Amino acid sequence: SQQGEEDPQALSIQEGENATMNCSYKTSINNLQWYRQNSGRGLVHLILIRSNEREKHSGRLRVTLDTSKKSSSLLITASRAADTASYFCATVPSGSARQLTFGSGTQLTVLP
Amino acid sequence: DTAVSQTPKYLVTQMGNDKSIKCEQNLGHDTMYWYKQDSKKFLKIMFSYNNKELIINETVPNRFSPKSPDKAHLNLHINSLELGDSAVYFCASSRGTDGSYEQYFGPGTRLTVT
Repeated sequence: SQQGEEDPQALSIQEGENATMNCSYKTSINNLQWYRQNSGRGLVHLILIRSNEREKHSGRLRVTLDTSKKSSSLLITASRAADTASYFCATVPSGSARQLTFGSGTQLTVLP
Repeated sequence: DTAVSQTPKYLVTQMGNDKSIKCEQNLGHDTMYWYKQDSKKFLKIMFSYNNKELIINETVPNRFSPKSPDKAHLNLHINSLELGDSAVYFCASSRGTDGSYEQYFGPGTRLTVT
């Protein structure tokens, strides 16, 4: 079953603006990962945040994790047209079944 | 150098045929995966192999048979193709099996069954 649900499903912004995408999940997790998928390409790993972490940064990306609310957010600052892509959160559950379960994705369009 | 490669990139075939997709990774990873991405971009794991041994086999029809000749290769053979098999299939690899590491994805194989 689908673990993560991204919100919004689609987001359109102007270049230079910030983009925020949210992910909610249902069961307790070991870690949560964000991936980007450009049109017609494979997924590219962005950030992995573990269940005992609250925030992580990588360049223009900032990920937060709230395990009490079972939610995460991905913030892209100063967006560029090249950030146009689908963004997926993926969770690894606690326990023995340590496989990635992907959400439905957010389609981000950055207009030049 | 491409880290995870798949062939072919596109595959168009008729119902009832048998086809294979090949995957190779040059990252030295122990674990490889096959995912299926449907038309709504929903990505679901199909199989996972660690050092040539099957460790995850989701509820996939037995028409799908993965084969791992060595830990750098994981091929997917599909028998008696059906219309519903049309999707993009991604191969991926990672350092370990416990989900603690990021996964590296191939470019995908778009399978169209007519």
